[in-house]
Amino acid sequence: NAGVTQTPKFQVLKTGQSMTLQCAQDMNHNSMYWYRQDPGMGLRLIYYSASEGTTDKGEVPNGYNVSRLNKREFSLRLESAAPSQTSVYFCASWTPSGGNTIYFGEGSWLTVV
Amino acid sequence: KQEVTQIPAALSVPEGENLVLNCSFTDSAIYNLQWFRQDPGKGLTSLLLIQSSQREQTSGRLNASLDKSSGRSTLYIAASQPGDSATYLCARRGGSNYKLTFGKGTLLTVNP
Repeated sequence: NAGVTQTPKFQVLKTGQSMTLQCAQDMNHNSMYWYRQDPGMGLRLIYYSASEGTTDKGEVPNGYNVSRLNKREFSLRLESAAPSQTSVYFCASWTPSGGNTIYFGEGSWLTVV
Repeated sequence: KQEVTQIPAALSVPEGENLVLNCSFTDSAIYNLQWFRQDPGKGLTSLLLIQSSQREQTSGRLNASLDKSSGRSTLYIAASQPGDSATYLCARRGGSNYKLTFGKGTLLTVNP
């Protein structure tokens, strides 16, 4: 049981380049989330998907897009990377049943130069 | 705006000491509150989850309490060990679509 899997784990981008962070969960959870974590700022919600077919903005959505491809997969895309997007990105999944615990991936370290 | 505050931001204690980490939140209409541990360069590991109908949860040397009326939760760590050194985060789930809001964490250092 892999839980929540994120790829890639590390990535260096040049300003203006685009990339997609992939996330998949195998726990049949309805809700999936993308957070970014920055020193002194804690974890901030970028986008979330409460259920398959829906997506909503979180606290810091500017510069990002998401796709809930199916129930398992939720991707985060940076269309034109900026140095301010240098951060650690975490994907998470959750469902109201099954213990209510949210599960996190291992994180993706992104540097934009 | 729903906010979660953790105090202190950092704490250093000698091994064997009992300690309390604090978490406060501004909206008492919560669904649940969860405590996490994060080691440097790693993801988040869930420690304890307290449903809104519960007052506390215990796991080994850890005990978490929830007081919705005052908007507070505490994480009590008994007989601390150097291996407990990590950042501890609390997160409140509530509101529309059960969104999860995190505090900024408490960096705990347990000295041998």
